[in-house]
Amino acid sequence: DQQVKQNSPSLSVQEGRISILNCDYTNSMFDYFLWYKKYPAEGPTFLISISSIKDKNEDGRFTVFLNKSAKHLSLHIVPSQPGDSAVYFCAASESNFGNEKLTFGTGTRLTIIP
Amino acid sequence: EPEVTQTPSHQVTQMGQEVILRCVPISNHLYFYWYRQILGQKVEFLVSFYNNEISEKSEIFDDQFSVERPDGSNFTLKIRSTKLEDSAMYFCASMPRRGTYSNQPQHFGDGTRLSIL
Repeated sequence: DQQVKQNSPSLSVQEGRISILNCDYTNSMFDYFLWYKKYPAEGPTFLISISSIKDKNEDGRFTVFLNKSAKHLSLHIVPSQPGDSAVYFCAASESNFGNEKLTFGTGTRLTIIP
Repeated sequence: EPEVTQTPSHQVTQMGQEVILRCVPISNHLYFYWYRQILGQKVEFLVSFYNNEISEKSEIFDDQFSVERPDGSNFTLKIRSTKLEDSAMYFCASMPRRGTYSNQPQHFGDGTRLSIL
């Protein structure tokens, strides 16, 4: 039951260039989407989120785009830095009065090449 | 910045034994969660907890699992009789009060690695 899919298990990007990570979902009830970053031996760290009423949200070097008709979201990191090397998880939830459970993708390992 | 803290970082237990994983959520948060990640697999939801009761649980969260908030700060996950397949990273998460028209992100601890022998 893969409601959230990240089809690229890994991605390598040159330092200073743009990193684009992609995520697709199948559940049309999802209305809140998040990106988490994870280093080894640490928990997922919240990066950025977007509600389904928007199609773009920006925070510094990070921008998330949401295409509801395609059920697709992407995370853009620009410029990419060596510290961005980590596993990135896409997650989604449907509003449930605060009891939202997150459904995660399998993650994309991003490597920034100096 | 406030953090979710989990103890222990690594727990090794014999199959059939009981284990308690502990979490201290961020102090003003109201919603609490447990997730797990089996090696090589995705992070999976186990249970959500609000107002001292379970809000939702997954199929994984069977009668061997229980959660408790014994005081104002701790949130625990108990596995009564552990099985080999319970070996995983267990993550605790918490979330502040959700706005009427806005969502809030969940904040995760660094996890407890549970190894069942």
